[in-house]
Amino acid sequence: GNSVTQMEGPVTLSEEAFLTINCTYTATGYPSLFWYVQYPGEGLQLLLKATKADDKGSNKGFEATYRKETTSFHLEKGSVQVSDSAVYFCALKGSGNTGKLIFGQGTTLQVKP
Amino acid sequence: DVKVTQSSRYLVKRTGEKVFLECVQDMDHENMFWYRQDPGLGLRLIYFSYDVKMKEKGDIPEGYSVSREKKERFSLILESASTNQTSMYLCASSSWGTGRGGETQYFGPGTRLLVL
Repeated sequence: GNSVTQMEGPVTLSEEAFLTINCTYTATGYPSLFWYVQYPGEGLQLLLKATKADDKGSNKGFEATYRKETTSFHLEKGSVQVSDSAVYFCALKGSGNTGKLIFGQGTTLQVKP
Repeated sequence: DVKVTQSSRYLVKRTGEKVFLECVQDMDHENMFWYRQDPGLGLRLIYFSYDVKMKEKGDIPEGYSVSREKKERFSLILESASTNQTSMYLCASSSWGTGRGGETQYFGPGTRLLVL
């Protein structure tokens, strides 16, 4: 079945450091891929998405490229800020109309001043 | 601004009690979802609904039921709460879209449930 694997956290970085959070997936067909972010005390919100191979999603300085050959969707940011401290979830949506998402376990990012 | 609201942010219940968690969305979305979130396990789907009165089991439906009588409202019911149901519960909604994927799920703020 479909599954998503994220790198374990927590990830602790200094402000302005480069961020990579790895995400790999297993799926049949052509899934859509997402990164969601959860700030402390809040629900999840969409950060970026990609719906087909080689697409790049981007938002708020974050980027991720849909790599079908390596079944990956790694999240990157060139210079993190304290305000980026949150939990990041990689997710996929398989073929079909139900809208069901499969989530990774989440990666906690802590950015120190 | 799109909105998904949940009836409570924090809830404390006793073992054996019947618990209702309510979720309301104002986006006219067809799909609605209930997840639970536990440390190290990410989000796990409990139930979802793709239309009024329609429901399907997710990955962990045991001990839960749902109700969707109106399009905007999706309720999660714990028939007899147990301590292993202590968790954060998140509701989400999305549109059917084109069926080609990419439809965003919009989440509520979550309900943190403690069962004593």
